[in-house]
Amino acid sequence: AQSVSQHNHHVILSEAASLELGCNYSYGGTVNLFWYVQYPGQHLQLLLKYFSGDPLVKGIKGFEAEFIKSKFSFNLRKPSVQWSDTAEYFCAVNDGGGADGLTFGKGTHLIIQP
Amino acid sequence: KAGVTQTPRYLIKTRGQQVTLSCSPISGHRSVSWYQQTPGQGLQFLFEYFSETQRNKGNFPGRFSGRQFSNSRSEMNVSTLELGDSALYLCASFVGPPNTGELFFGEGSRLTVL
Repeated sequence: AQSVSQHNHHVILSEAASLELGCNYSYGGTVNLFWYVQYPGQHLQLLLKYFSGDPLVKGIKGFEAEFIKSKFSFNLRKPSVQWSDTAEYFCAVNDGGGADGLTFGKGTHLIIQP
Repeated sequence: KAGVTQTPRYLIKTRGQQVTLSCSPISGHRSVSWYQQTPGQGLQFLFEYFSETQRNKGNFPGRFSGRQFSNSRSEMNVSTLELGDSALYLCASFVGPPNTGELFFGEGSRLTVL
């Protein structure tokens, strides 16, 4: 079975700081990788995705993530965070054939201090 | 374009009762999946439906069931409620299989079991 680990459950940063949220998955086959974000009071929404090709993917709001196959990692990055980035961030994976539902990590609660 | 609509948004039940939750997908989306979100376990996949057929099922007991109607609307049912069933139940829709993971989530139905 697949599993997803997010290393940091709570992260507090100041505005303009750089962000990196770790995500590792366990699955030996082809995978699709995702980061979802849940802003306070809002529903989960897709931040970015990786299916194949360039391992560096760019998403909305200046976020990017790098897929490193050898490390089974898909870390999320943003060079300069804003107060509005305060949210819960979830890494997720499903197998490349799309046969299963998404397996989510337990989330990272990010707080940006003005 | 209207998003995924879930009803009811909040409900309180007692142990032993049953509950039915409803989900209306985005227009044109033919697949619906359900997730349970709790503080301890995070987001866990319940099941996925396409064309009124269950395609995938997560690791939940048989008390959890669902169905999909010809208009793609979906319901999930939990029978013989237990305290541990208290959770946010999320519905997500997507165009159709395979599940590429680009899900559009509703705001959820928050169930409290007393």
